[in-house]
Amino acid sequence: NAGVTQTPKFQVLKTGQSMTLQCAQDMNHNSMYWYRQDPGMGLRLIYYSASEGTTDKGEVPNGYNVSRLNKREFSLRLESAAPSQTSVYFCATGDRGRFEQYFGPGTRLTVT
Amino acid sequence: GENVEQHPSTLSVQEGDSAVIKCTYSDSASNYFPWYKQELGKRPQLIIDIRSNVGEKKDQRIAVTLNKTAKHFSLHITETQPEDSAVYFCAARNAGNMLTFGGGTRLMVKP
Repeated sequence: NAGVTQTPKFQVLKTGQSMTLQCAQDMNHNSMYWYRQDPGMGLRLIYYSASEGTTDKGEVPNGYNVSRLNKREFSLRLESAAPSQTSVYFCATGDRGRFEQYFGPGTRLTVT
Repeated sequence: GENVEQHPSTLSVQEGDSAVIKCTYSDSASNYFPWYKQELGKRPQLIIDIRSNVGEKKDQRIAVTLNKTAKHFSLHITETQPEDSAVYFCAARNAGNMLTFGGGTRLMVKP
């Protein structure tokens, strides 16, 4: 029972490159979230998916796209990476009718 | 949208003392207030939470209080230990089921 997993753990990109961050959960939760955490700051919501087949923008969606592939998987795509997207990205999940969110281990992304 | 402010940004206490971290929120419709602990290089971990219909909740050495009228909530840690050293984040959940986080408090417990 792995909980929430994220791949890769670390990534370095050059400006303009693209990549997809992967998140998977085996908690059978309906809701999934993508956050970014900049150094010394709190977490900010990028996108979320309340259930399979739906996605919505969060606080800072510009420059990102998401796909809820199925109930287990929620991916975050950077089409053209910029240095301002250097951050730690966390995926989180939550169960229907409950408010708690549980976080994955994070992906540390550096854009040069 | 929701705005959550957290104070202080750093807090240093002696082992065995109590620590208090305070947060204010702006959206009166917010109904859920979790607290997360994040150790260096690790994921945020939920340590305690409170819903808007409750004024106080306690779990061993940690407690959270909520004042809906004033729109603020606080984390209290008693008998602090060195392993309590971490960054603590408060958050508020709005009607759209989105969490807005405070800026974090770095707690240092000196042995």
